[in-house]
Amino acid sequence: DAGVIQSPRHEVTEMGQEVTLRCKPISGHNSLFWYRQTMMRGLELLIYFNNNVPIDDSGMPEDRFSAKMPNASFSTLKIQPSEPRDSAVYFCASRLDRGTQPQHFGDGTRLSIL
Amino acid sequence: AQTVTQSQPEMSVQEAETVTLSCTYDTSENNYYLFWYKQPPSRQMILVIRQEAYKQQNATENRFSVNFQKAAKSFSLKISDSQLGDTAMYFCAFERAGSYQLTFGKGTKLSVIP
Repeated sequence: DAGVIQSPRHEVTEMGQEVTLRCKPISGHNSLFWYRQTMMRGLELLIYFNNNVPIDDSGMPEDRFSAKMPNASFSTLKIQPSEPRDSAVYFCASRLDRGTQPQHFGDGTRLSIL
Repeated sequence: AQTVTQSQPEMSVQEAETVTLSCTYDTSENNYYLFWYKQPPSRQMILVIRQEAYKQQNATENRFSVNFQKAAKSFSLKISDSQLGDTAMYFCAFERAGSYQLTFGKGTKLSVIP
């Protein structure tokens, strides 16, 4: 079975540019999570969707960050405009929101803002 | 709020030997789940093992097993017959039952030495 698919795997861009990260959750999973990983802060939850609806976006750093989930099989995380401090690894995770199911993570996108 | 503490930033083990990674957590909840995730240099976040707090029996997955001490709020990971492919960062994580929030520790970097 295909796992969580993220693209791109690496992104290098100049500050001020718009960045769009993409995620395809595991088929049948109804919860989706975006995380950011940095050396200083570790893994931070940015936003959580359930059945395509954003439930908790309290982790989104500021208005430059936005996330959408137009359907059950696709989500985007957008940064506009990007800044060097946004450089990090961004993970998408999904799970079936039933019982004790764990979160399954994608391979992450390493984002570098110059 | 829950906290997860991994007191060993780095560890090393000889190939084929056994190593134990420690994790403690702080919570007032009675029903929760605990996880160990592995992050190799390839950056993937891979679920290694999980434990339901209501189960007294320690979880095992092949060479990986846990020592879950609920009263002590301790959740250590034992890796038997260590292999070079076990070299990775290992994250302990906590999730309250009925929640979606995963609280991660800061990780332990494990190096398996040939």
